[in-house]
Amino acid sequence: AQTVTQSQPEMSVQEAETVTLSCTYDTSENNYYLFWYKQPPSRQMILVIRQEAYKQQNATENRFSVNFQKAAKSFSLKISDSQLGDTAMYFCAFMKHGGTYKYIFGTGTRLKVLA
Amino acid sequence: NAGVTQTPKFRVLKTGQSMTLLCAQDMNHEYMYWYRQDPGMGLRLIHYSVGEGTTAKGEVPDGYNVSRLKKQNFLLGLESAAPSQTSVYFCASSSQRGGSGANVLTFGAGSRLTVL
Repeated sequence: AQTVTQSQPEMSVQEAETVTLSCTYDTSENNYYLFWYKQPPSRQMILVIRQEAYKQQNATENRFSVNFQKAAKSFSLKISDSQLGDTAMYFCAFMKHGGTYKYIFGTGTRLKVLA
Repeated sequence: NAGVTQTPKFRVLKTGQSMTLLCAQDMNHEYMYWYRQDPGMGLRLIHYSVGEGTTAKGEVPDGYNVSRLKKQNFLLGLESAAPSQTSVYFCASSSQRGGSGANVLTFGAGSRLTVL
């Protein structure tokens, strides 16, 4: 069974600085998707970034980028120029391509951006 | 664009009462999911559906039942609520279609359930 591990329960960063959130996963599959979701205090879950495992190029979305290391089964999220609005819970998620289409989530990292 | 709508947003139940959470999506997504979120445990899958008329168990299905009679709706039922079911419940949907949006979960706003 697949598992997703986020080893940093809480992190903080100064406004305008860069922070990296870590995520590791365990799978024997070769074709899958990885995601980072953001949950602000409003509770609404929002997609931050999506990575397809067969693509070697790391995904980027404006200030958000990932470091996808397939062999190491690592999928970290880098937030550049942190803003107060980035304060949220961040979840890493895994989905195997094909099959049951189940998504497995990590336990989350609570990020606080300090003014 | 309503996306995924969950009702109700808040509910307080007494132990042993029953209730149904309704999830509706207007994106014609094939797949629908119910998760529960508890502090320190992330999101855990309760049940999911890969199409109209089909349902399957997730990680924590005990005490819950689901139905998907129509493609756009996914109902989560608690037949006899227990305090351990106090949680925030999220419905989500996804599709294989959509290019860069394929397989991205779209979530509802969540439903906070308290069982006394």
